[in-house]
Amino acid sequence: DTGVSQDPRHKITKRGQNVTFRCDPISEHNRLYWYRQTLGQGPEFLTYFQNEAQLEKSRLLSDRFSAERPKGSFSTLEIQRTEQGDSAMYLCASSTRGQTDTQYFGPGTRLTVL
Amino acid sequence: AQSVTQLGSHVSVSEGALVLLRCNYSSSVPPYLFWYVQYPNQGLQLLLKYTTGATLVKGINGFEAEFKKSETSFHLTKPSAHMSDAAEYFCAVSEDDYKLSFGAGTTVTVRA
Repeated sequence: DTGVSQDPRHKITKRGQNVTFRCDPISEHNRLYWYRQTLGQGPEFLTYFQNEAQLEKSRLLSDRFSAERPKGSFSTLEIQRTEQGDSAMYLCASSTRGQTDTQYFGPGTRLTVL
Repeated sequence: AQSVTQLGSHVSVSEGALVLLRCNYSSSVPPYLFWYVQYPNQGLQLLLKYTTGATLVKGINGFEAEFKKSETSFHLTKPSAHMSDAAEYFCAVSEDDYKLSFGAGTTVTVRA
């Protein structure tokens, strides 16, 4: 069990640029989640995958955001035309199937939009 | 829809003193409840969770929490604080099959 990994750990970009983050879940986990955490707040759910299928998206996920999990393994989160309000920590988590199963979190990618 | 309220955004305790972090939830169905800890520049780590069964749940690092349905609470305690307990703590609830809803967090500082 190598844990959930995320890349990059930090990203600084200019407003209007596109950015892409990667998440590698724990290998045997079917579910993968994306959350966003802003300063002084708890994480907020963005979206999740069961294998390669994206099953739920929060209304926080505007049309500038897109997430994929093409082979049911790693996932990418892309933000197009970044805005300063997108500055946040983006957290990825994974779990086996089930509501009571523990979600294991990665270290996060901190995005700063200038 | 569920929500989580953590009372007190900052808690300061002396080393060796009791740590008490308060969490109240609103839920229309019996919830599943979690406490996570976040150290600086790290992801969240599960401390403990309540799903069913015994309402007093023991977790890692000496923490425990008690689910009280009548009070809609899930407070986290540790009898004796250690310097390494300084971190941010999040209470979370899961009603749906997938997402966690988190409180705003409580930052714990430990005084020597």
